[in-house]
Amino acid sequence: DGGITQSPKYLFRKEGQNVTLSCEQNLNHDAMYWYRQDPGQGLRLIYYSQIVNDFQKGDIAEGYSVSREKKESFPLTVTSAQKNPTAFYLCASRPNVGFKWGNTEAFFGQGTRLTVV
Amino acid sequence: RKEVEQDPGPFNVPEGATVAFNCTYSNSASQSFFWYRQDCRKEPKLLMSVYSSGNEDGRFTAQLNRASQYISLLIRDSKLSDSATYLCVVPGGSYIPTFGRGTSLIVHP
Repeated sequence: DGGITQSPKYLFRKEGQNVTLSCEQNLNHDAMYWYRQDPGQGLRLIYYSQIVNDFQKGDIAEGYSVSREKKESFPLTVTSAQKNPTAFYLCASRPNVGFKWGNTEAFFGQGTRLTVV
Repeated sequence: RKEVEQDPGPFNVPEGATVAFNCTYSNSASQSFFWYRQDCRKEPKLLMSVYSSGNEDGRFTAQLNRASQYISLLIRDSKLSDSATYLCVVPGGSYIPTFGRGTSLIVHP
């Protein structure tokens, strides 16, 4: 079955440590997104990528980094510069960009819950 | 004005009630709209898409008012299992899915 997979489901980070969250999709989608969700809040965009080897900052990119070396993969690194990383991280993908596909829904992975210890 | 706005609630209703949520958006160029359902500590899942004036799926009806730039979600005959957060999603610049804060629904016996 096609889908989008995030791992790990739970992640614990020590102060000053970098951690990487994995996001893999086999839906052949061009566009991929990382969101952060805090308790009682909506989803805020961290980074997005519309094509391989290209990505753009979202609204809250500080303290995060991404790469898009393969169409299927869009890992997110939470760096030590992110002062408040405890949150629920969601990865999503959409088929394509442009008007024809711009109005399609996003598909989500199951999320990674990151906690600073 | 925020791109997508929702009343966070919570909406607390008895089983069998009809409840409606509204969502306002600022991007007048948006062509499609989505309602997602999110259960506690889970990922959002697509509930309904709205591409024209509205859409209906069983107990759920979504309507679009382009002139006033809002979409609504109506749930009839509420079930306990409908308790969740309902997220309104509107494609923003570069068709990036842009989320409202979500509306919390609690259905009680």
